[in-house]
Amino acid sequence: DAGVTQSPTHLIKTRGQQVTLRCSPKSGHDTVSWYQQALGQGPQFIFQYYEEEERQRGNFPDRFSGHQFPNYSSELNVNALLLGDSALYLCASSLALGTVPYNEQFFGPGTRLTVL
Amino acid sequence: SQKIEQNSEALNIQEGKTATLTCNYTNYSPAYLQWYRQDPGRGPVFLLLIRENEKEKRKERLKVTFDTTLKQSLFHITASQPADSATYLCALDIAGTYKYIFGTGTRLKVLA
Repeated sequence: DAGVTQSPTHLIKTRGQQVTLRCSPKSGHDTVSWYQQALGQGPQFIFQYYEEEERQRGNFPDRFSGHQFPNYSSELNVNALLLGDSALYLCASSLALGTVPYNEQFFGPGTRLTVL
Repeated sequence: SQKIEQNSEALNIQEGKTATLTCNYTNYSPAYLQWYRQDPGRGPVFLLLIRENEKEKRKERLKVTFDTTLKQSLFHITASQPADSATYLCALDIAGTYKYIFGTGTRLKVLA
């Protein structure tokens, strides 16, 4: 049973560019959350997708957008990249509310984004 | 504003001892609290979840307590081993939302 997978593993971009990160959830999971983790910090919640809709968003600007596909996989898009966007981007999958233990999150290995 | 605090300094303990990590929060009323382990360059791995109406939860050598009056959770690893060396993160839900807030993590090093 494959866990959460993310691609690419590493990415280097320059300021002003756009990037798309991809995530495939754990088999059977229907909810995907995205996090940004700067070095030495805890993960910061970006947003969560369920039933192809963004149902919760953290304190991130509109430059951060996402999408969830019918097979539950998800993309994170970041436009107009800034140096401060350099971080590890984590995808976590879980089961929707109402299923025990619905709030256990399974994380992928992350995508390391470097903005030069 | 809502805040979660974990010991920012690394915790070094001798193999075989019990490691105790602390997670304090303010201005929250979480329904549950989770603990994760994170190794360098990897995503967090779920360890334990404890609900607001539970005082204590155990899993093998791990024990978590949750005191909603003190707004504190303690995470214990008994009979610690060098393989337990990692960063440990606590995370809370924000009531009424699907948002999760993580602490900054505590780096644990178990010395052989």
